[in-house]
Amino acid sequence: NAGVTQTPKFQVLKTGQSMTLQCAQDMNHEYMSWYRQDPGMGLRLIHYSVGAGITDQGEVPNGYNVSRSTTEDFPLRLLSAAPSQTSVYFCASSYSAGGLYNEQFFGPGTRLTVL
Amino acid sequence: DQQVKQNSPSLSVQEGRISILNCDYTNSMFDYFLWYKKYPAEGPTFLISISSIKDKNEDGRFTVFLNKSAKHLSLHIVPSQPGDSAVYFCAASAVNDYKLSFGAGTTVTVRA
Repeated sequence: NAGVTQTPKFQVLKTGQSMTLQCAQDMNHEYMSWYRQDPGMGLRLIHYSVGAGITDQGEVPNGYNVSRSTTEDFPLRLLSAAPSQTSVYFCASSYSAGGLYNEQFFGPGTRLTVL
Repeated sequence: DQQVKQNSPSLSVQEGRISILNCDYTNSMFDYFLWYKKYPAEGPTFLISISSIKDKNEDGRFTVFLNKSAKHLSLHIVPSQPGDSAVYFCAASAVNDYKLSFGAGTTVTVRA
């Protein structure tokens, strides 16, 4: 199993550009999410999905869109990039919600710089 | 407002000694707590967890203690090894809730 994969690993954008961060998992997990990591802030939840066709907002959703057309894929779209979106982005998935099975598996991350 | 707080940004410990990482939370609905370890340029990896019905969980060199009345948990690493040098995140979730709330992380450096 590849686990959770993310592409690209690095990306530089200019302000106003749009792009999609890709995330895929091969563990048949129902739950997937996107986090951003900023210095001194830990990981903050952007959007999450509890299954194909179902998405919801997390703590910091503004400026980002997601969709979940398949169980495996959960892309994150930046609509119009801003310098404040410079961050490291992590995708994660888990088998279930809450409790014993809420161990989330993380991808290796995408480091995004917006100039 | 952060519901999970790690007030020590960094910790330096000598190899072979104990590392103690602390975490406080404010949401009384949290019932499951996890610790993640993160190396540079990698994603976080699950380390150990504890349910609110327990006050201690042990896995090899790692032990997590939970004090629900104080809304406090700690991670003990004994003995500390150079490979333990990493950022450690405390996380928590509420009953049947997929979402995890993370602390800001503590960077552990193990000195030879």
